[in-house]
Amino acid sequence: GAGVSQSPRYKVAKRGQDVALRCDPISGHVSLFWYQQALGQGPEFLTYFQNEAQLDKSGLPSDRFFAERPEGSVSTLKIQRTQQEDSAVYLCASSLAASGISYEQYFGPGTRLTVT
Amino acid sequence: QKEVEQDPGPLSVPEGAIVSLNCTYSNSAFQYFMWYRQYSRKGPELLMYTYSSGNKEDGRFTAQVDKSSKYISLFIRDSQPSDSATYLCAMTVYGNNRLAFGKGNQVVVIP
Repeated sequence: GAGVSQSPRYKVAKRGQDVALRCDPISGHVSLFWYQQALGQGPEFLTYFQNEAQLDKSGLPSDRFFAERPEGSVSTLKIQRTQQEDSAVYLCASSLAASGISYEQYFGPGTRLTVT
Repeated sequence: QKEVEQDPGPLSVPEGAIVSLNCTYSNSAFQYFMWYRQYSRKGPELLMYTYSSGNKEDGRFTAQVDKSSKYISLFIRDSQPSDSATYLCAMTVYGNNRLAFGKGNQVVVIP
C-alpha cells in the first residue's frame, strides 16, 4: 500500500515568512510523529499525535513551531517567521498503534526547507 | 553528551565484505532498538527492530543488543552496492513516543 507522503518535497522561504508542511500518514495509522533532521545529523523529535490529540510537543524548538492533526489523519507542521536555523529536512512518521504498543515508525521522504 | 552516540565517519568497503556498525547509549531505560537505512534525499526506512538484549537475524542483516554495555551493533554480510546508504540507530523507552537517533553512518560499498 501507499507509504507516508509529504508535501512539498522542497520549500525555499525568505527569512520571516511563514511555511506550512503537510504529512499524509499511512491509512489507519494511529500515531504520527514529526522530526527535524539537520544536515549530517540524525532526526530529532519534534512532536507526537495519537489520533487528533497532540500528546507530546516537548521537542518543538520554539513557539514559532505549531503542529495540528484536526481529524486524526493528515497533519500540518507550521513554522512562523522562519529563521535560517530552521533550515533542515522535516520528516513525518506514522505508526500503526498507539505509542507504548508499537515502536515501529514508518517515515515519509521529508520536506527540505531552506530559509534564505 | 547526547543520549545516543554513533561515529558518523564514512565507511567504504569492497563488495562482498562484512559491514559492522555500532552505537552506544547512556540511557539505561532504553529497551527498544532499531536500525534505519536512509538513502540520499529519502526518508529513513526501518531495517531491524529488536527488544532488549540479544541477536536478531534477517537475511544478510544481524542486529545485536548488549544492554549491560549499552552497545548495539548491525552487521551486513555479503555487502552489495545497493547497501550504500546512511545507517541510523534509534532507540526508545517503554511507553515513550519519541525515538532517539544516532547521527548515522554513511556506508559506501564499492563494486
